[in-house]
Amino acid sequence: SQQGEEDPQALSIQEGENATMNCSYKTSINNLQWYRQNSGRGLVHLILIRSNEREKHSGRLRVTLDTSKKSSSLLITASRAADTASYFCATLRGLTGGGNKLTFGTGTQLKVEL
Amino acid sequence: DAGITQSPRHKVTETGTPVTLRCHQTENHRYMYWYRQDPGHGLRLIHYSYGVKDTDKGEVSDGYSVSRSKTEDFLLTLESATSSQTSVYFCAISEIGYTGELFFGEGSRLTVL
Repeated sequence: SQQGEEDPQALSIQEGENATMNCSYKTSINNLQWYRQNSGRGLVHLILIRSNEREKHSGRLRVTLDTSKKSSSLLITASRAADTASYFCATLRGLTGGGNKLTFGTGTQLKVEL
Repeated sequence: DAGITQSPRHKVTETGTPVTLRCHQTENHRYMYWYRQDPGHGLRLIHYSYGVKDTDKGEVSDGYSVSRSKTEDFLLTLESATSSQTSVYFCAISEIGYTGELFFGEGSRLTVL
């Protein structure tokens, strides 16, 4: 199965509410990244958190990383209709033979209703 | 927005025909990637490049080849398209490889009939 798996698969909230998405993974990682994808568009990088970091903020975004539980969460505060999109986590891990591998999850579809 | 252009944006072709997708960047980034996106699979890496003429396979490289003769261009070729290659293809670039963020193009939707 995927190295990174998001939960829930779909989330519908009202504008102004907070949205929380979770990402779980299986093996140790170097960093974890969150991306947003609007319908029919490419992915846009939101935030990167390194394995030695526990929490990171960027505007209305808050990301936490718990390496003991192999999980991360993305919190969007005071959501807006424009936040409607799919959100993907991507985990970076080193490979035994050298190099790195970035693996994307299948995403959470967030819908923010007015 | 990062200067990444994919062409064509949409293509319909028939099984067995060759197809080439082009990714052009104006950022002078060293690393370039081709991904495919399919429902239920997320994004999967096809091939990547770490410099001019330097390429390597990703996790789903069978049936695909790539070339990079210039820093700014990364071509993805399907030698003989199959229906299983119907997908949305994304090009991405990065300055410092995977340890940093990726910048994505807008995607190329390919339908193989």
